[in-house]
Amino acid sequence: AQSVAQPEDQVNVAEGNPLTVKCTYSVSGNPYLFWYVQYPNRGLQFLLKYITGDNLVKGSYGFEAEFNKSQTSFHLKKPSALVSDSALYFCAVYPGRRALTFGSGTRLQVQP
Amino acid sequence: SQTIHQWPATLVQPVGSPLSLECTVEGTSNPNLYWYRQAAGRGLQLLFYSVGIGQISSEVPQNLSASRPQDRQFILSSKKLLLSDSGFYLCAWSHRAYEQYFGPGTRLTVT
Repeated sequence: AQSVAQPEDQVNVAEGNPLTVKCTYSVSGNPYLFWYVQYPNRGLQFLLKYITGDNLVKGSYGFEAEFNKSQTSFHLKKPSALVSDSALYFCAVYPGRRALTFGSGTRLQVQP
Repeated sequence: SQTIHQWPATLVQPVGSPLSLECTVEGTSNPNLYWYRQAAGRGLQLLFYSVGIGQISSEVPQNLSASRPQDRQFILSSKKLLLSDSGFYLCAWSHRAYEQYFGPGTRLTVT
């Protein structure tokens, strides 16, 4: 079965510092990987995706993610965190049918 | 551009009462439609998905049902709510299953 794991329930980072939110995946074949963000009491917003091509994917709001096949990881990164980046982040994989499979989510807290 | 609406935004219902949540999509045709539930502000559980009018696939056996009476309308229902039905319900649409766009959600509290 295709799945993603987010090993951290919460990540704390100071404003202006770089941030990383971790995601590892388990898929057969080539993975389709995604990051979504959810602000309080809101739906999920698409940030970025990896289908094929460059391992470094750039997305919305200055976020990027690095696909690492050897480590089966797809970590979300941002060079300089903002307080407004505080939210719940979901990694997801497309298992080839029906819908996305989401990770359990990581809460990002950026302190001023 | 495409937009997705959900209503109501919040709902408080007693145990045993019926439920109807509505989701509509504008600006596109023949979308795939999805219902997810998010409990305790965490992971998302896929409940139902639909590839066309009247075509519903259920992912988890439960107290809920879904219907798609029109191309861009997706309804989540229950005849009798349970306490465990409380949560944040999200509707999503896509043309390709891996590019999903989510609605604003409905917060359901069963008391």
